[in-house]
Formats: sequence, C-alpha cells, structure tokens
Amino acid sequence: GAVVSQHPSWVICKSGTSVKIECRSLDFQATTMFWYRQFPKQSLMLMATSNEGSKATYEQGVEKDKFLINHASLTLSTLTVTSAHPEDSSFYICSARGARGGDEQFFGPGTRLTVL
Amino acid sequence: DQQVKQNSPSLSVQEGRISILNCDYTNSMFDYFLWYKKYPAEGPTFLISISSIKDKNEDGRFTVFLNKSAKHLSLHIVPSQPGDSAVYFCAASGETDKLIFGTGTRLQVFP
Repeated sequence: GAVVSQHPSWVICKSGTSVKIECRSLDFQATTMFWYRQFPKQSLMLMATSNEGSKATYEQGVEKDKFLINHASLTLSTLTVTSAHPEDSSFYICSARGARGGDEQFFGPGTRLTVL
Repeated sequence: DQQVKQNSPSLSVQEGRISILNCDYTNSMFDYFLWYKKYPAEGPTFLISISSIKDKNEDGRFTVFLNKSAKHLSLHIVPSQPGDSAVYFCAASGETDKLIFGTGTRLQVFP
C-alpha cells in the first residue's frame, strides 16, 4: 500500500511555457501533500505544503505565483511551473501523508523537468 | 542554514560488512527522525524511523540509533549487500509536518 504516482516522469519544454505535474495517491487518501525540488547532487528542498481544499503554504524563497499548487481532492495535487526558465530545470518530487496519521511521507517517483 | 547535516558525502563498504551512515542536526525541537534510500531519478523510499523518546530502533538489517544529547543519529546496515548501494538521506521533523532533509550520503557496497 501507500503508492504515490507522478505524471509525467519527465518533460522537456521551451523557455516561457508552463508545465503541469500531477501527483496522485493511488491507494490512500492524502490529506497533506508536499512538493520538493532536488538539484543535482543536492538535498531535497521542500517547496510547499498543500492541504486538500485549502491554499498551499510556500517555503521562504519559493515564488507562489510561479509555482502554482492545487490540491483539489484527497488523491490529487498538481504543481504548475509557470513561464518556466532554464534555472527551473530540476527534479520535482511530491510526497503524501495519509489521513490515518503517522509521520511517514510516501514519495512519488519524481518528475525530471528540463527547460530549454 | 543547514539544520540536518550528513558530513560524509560518500561511503564505500565491502559486502557483508557493516555500513554506518551518520547524521547530525541542530534544532532541538526535532522529535522524529527518518532515513530514506534513493536511487537516481527516483523518489526516496522510506527505510526506518525513530522517535525522540527512543534511542534505538531496529528493523531487519537496519538499525537507527539516536543520541539526543549529541544531536546525532546513525543508520547501521548489517550485513551490507550490493543492492544497498544508493544515496541515503536522513530527515527530521518537529512540531510541523515538514521534513528537513540532510544532504545525503552515497553508499557503495562492493563485492
């Protein structure tokens, strides 16, 4: 159990376009989802926390107008990178925490974004 | 300000021997600690966790030790296997749901 999927697994786009990444909890309801970014050979950095039905909470230094997060249901959260630029190229990973509680977060497989 | 640190970027261990991965933290409010294993281009996989009320937790080949006074935790893998080769991240959480990750240690287990 506790499977989290992400789509797409990789995407290449032109500078200035917007890219949407989906994160789904497949076999449990996720009251809270998290979005992380990982640059090569660096740690995972939390970008934002989203709770179903409410606005996301962004970490300091993360532009909320650039990284739009929607947590429309208990099984789906989306991250939209708007007007993407080459410096946004990174590995984006979501995680979900179930309604049953506990501190474990279950991670998706990640999405590799390359902006040309 | 790196609140969770893994000072060894890499570790090489022979198969069958013990692997010891270390992690230090600075925030005394952290009360829950986790270890994740990560392969390139994949999401982290949860391995083992420990609450601050304990000093040891064991699950099969994996044991996590917590020294609160030293703000230090370690992951022991014994015996190490080639399939254990990956990047290992420690993570900590406190009053919020946020996980703060360390910088990772690349473990290589050679035959």
